[in-house]
Amino acid sequence: DAGITQSPRYKITETGRQVTLMCHQTWSHSYMFWYRQDLGHGLRLIYYSAAADITDKGEVPDGYVVSRSKTENFPLTLESATRSQTSVYFCASSGIKAYEQYFGPGTRLTVT
Amino acid sequence: GEDVEQSLFLSVREGDSSVINCTYTDSSSTYLYWYKQEPGAGLQLLTYIFSNMDMKQDQRLTVLLNKKDKHLSLRIADTQTGDSAIYFCAESGSGGSYIPTFGRGTSLIVHP
Repeated sequence: DAGITQSPRYKITETGRQVTLMCHQTWSHSYMFWYRQDLGHGLRLIYYSAAADITDKGEVPDGYVVSRSKTENFPLTLESATRSQTSVYFCASSGIKAYEQYFGPGTRLTVT
Repeated sequence: GEDVEQSLFLSVREGDSSVINCTYTDSSSTYLYWYKQEPGAGLQLLTYIFSNMDMKQDQRLTVLLNKKDKHLSLRIADTQTGDSAIYFCAESGSGGSYIPTFGRGTSLIVHP
């Protein structure tokens, strides 16, 4: 089915491990975004991409790496996971109108 | 300080009207939105309003914008239990960026 998907939906990892969260959209949207959602902080932008091979930092980029070799994919990598990165991660995409965002279902990541 | 502020909780009785309030700081904001997040899901765009509008109505939803006070509200008429969710206010357009800045979200609880 068309749309925006995230995988895995749930992940438990240990401190210090590398973990990659996947995001895939089928609309050929230009923009893609990664947010984290934490109690008391709402939604915070980690990284975004305006097009393939173009990425930029958001509000909380430290500890995260992104890439966008193909328009439809926007993986987020935690190079060395820390407990403070325990969160729910949302991927979103939008077309030319960057404000009209479509969100994936989220990945709940627990770092032990 | 925060760019977008909302109260964290609102409790209403089924059938009553709900009013969720939001304030923002940047007078150059061009677009203001309301997103809805149901439990275990990503955010879904409910409605948005341009800064040159005062009001927008869409079925049970009414958005009011007071530019002078930088105040945005979402009124839900005849609130149903299915309206229970987190509602996020967001703005974009300030500083030339159309990427939304989100508030922390208001949890709406609808009880019988």
